[in-house]
Amino acid sequence: GAVVSQHPSWVICKSGTSVKIECRSLDFQATTMFWYRQFPKQSLMLMATSNEGSKATYEQGVEKDKFLINHASLTLSTLTVTSAHPEDSSFYICSASGGTGANVLTFGAGSRLTVL
Amino acid sequence: DAKTTQPPSMDCAEGRAANLPCNHSTISGNEYVYWYRQIHSQGPQYIIHGLKNNETNEMASLIITEDRKSSTLILPHATLRDTAVYYCISQGGSEKLVFGKGMKLTVNP
Repeated sequence: GAVVSQHPSWVICKSGTSVKIECRSLDFQATTMFWYRQFPKQSLMLMATSNEGSKATYEQGVEKDKFLINHASLTLSTLTVTSAHPEDSSFYICSASGGTGANVLTFGAGSRLTVL
Repeated sequence: DAKTTQPPSMDCAEGRAANLPCNHSTISGNEYVYWYRQIHSQGPQYIIHGLKNNETNEMASLIITEDRKSSTLILPHATLRDTAVYYCISQGGSEKLVFGKGMKLTVNP
């Protein structure tokens, strides 16, 4: 079946540094990927839609200059959290469509970011 | 905002069928009902989806009422590994999935 891989699975960084998270579709091409954020005991919140070869579309309230998204190929999207602060600590999850069926999303295992 | 409502939690005995309800009274004609689940600290996992007809796959069955205002996800023989948060989502042509609060299913031994 379709597999989406995220890396790293967890990362700890100092406040003010930038962190990059990769999302790869391993056995299918994904023209569209989605980035979600999840705080403890809360549901997933959609941050942005990543489109291959074009600019990402951000949801309302998500700072595009803080959360840089690059979707340079049909199998790779990256999320860079710039100048991270402790409040950016969260579980970041990517997903991609096209691997299983129409409008069915395959999710990565998530990346847990802790900003000290 | 999520367009579905689910009870916050439910318990089920191991080996028994788990029937997870979902209300989507405002669903429009072109919107499907999707079910995903999230086991603790993992990414969500697709379970099943349907439009009007009942659906079954290797994981579960989906029963959609004739008026499409509600549905039930059935796990025929729940195991401890089915303990998770289950999300019922109604979605149309756009591929953006908007998650609600979901329902925590706890399967007890």
